[in-house]
Amino acid sequence: TQLTPSPSFLSASVGDRVTITCRASQGFNSFLAWYQQKPGKAPKLLIYGESTLQNGVPSRFSGSVSGAIFTLTISSLQPEDFATYYCQQLNNGPPPFTFGPGTKVEI
Amino acid sequence: EVQLVESGGRLGRPGGSLRLSCVASGFTFGNFAMSWVRQAPGKGLEWLSIISASGDTAYYIDSVRGRFTISRDNSKNTLYLEMNSLRAEDTAVYYCARAAGTIAFGGVIGDHFDSWGQGTLVPVSP
Repeated sequence: TQLTPSPSFLSASVGDRVTITCRASQGFNSFLAWYQQKPGKAPKLLIYGESTLQNGVPSRFSGSVSGAIFTLTISSLQPEDFATYYCQQLNNGPPPFTFGPGTKVEI
Repeated sequence: EVQLVESGGRLGRPGGSLRLSCVASGFTFGNFAMSWVRQAPGKGLEWLSIISASGDTAYYIDSVRGRFTISRDNSKNTLYLEMNSLRAEDTAVYYCARAAGTIAFGGVIGDHFDSWGQGTLVPVSP
């Protein structure tokens, strides 16, 4: 399974609506999560099950899926949201778990 | 509060061995599958291995199968990664992570990772 993010790099401003997608090579029966990682820090779970917000994550983050395309949306980018975002997939069965290459969101 | 604290990262030599540990607190360790994920310098995340809550079942990515061994001691709330036959390309920050979710496969339950340690650095160099 491969995950292809789009874009790999994104330049945005505070207040922007930002959309990041991951296209899975095997989109059916997949379970996808999104993580945020800041430099020097561990990844942080944002969304799991394609669209379920992890406890404590701001509601400006949302996830959706259409076929093999998974989307992370930040409705209004905040200064603390500048980071790298990774999608992660597990197909309906044994591992491996697959991480996408990441999308870096910069000012 | 869930806490995962990795240790054991140090300079490794090609062909050598290292053992990483991850001590868990703030939750019932024996109820959760656990994983190791690594990140090479400047690169993305790479899942390595997962072990069931009981420790009976483990899965590995192809590149480490046969070289790395995941294990756990539920009485000590500790997860381990035994790394043998180290290679330069094993240089990375190694994270332990708690598996979560409802998908079950071969005794392992989890489809994502809801808590992560701070990571421990393993450089591999002659």
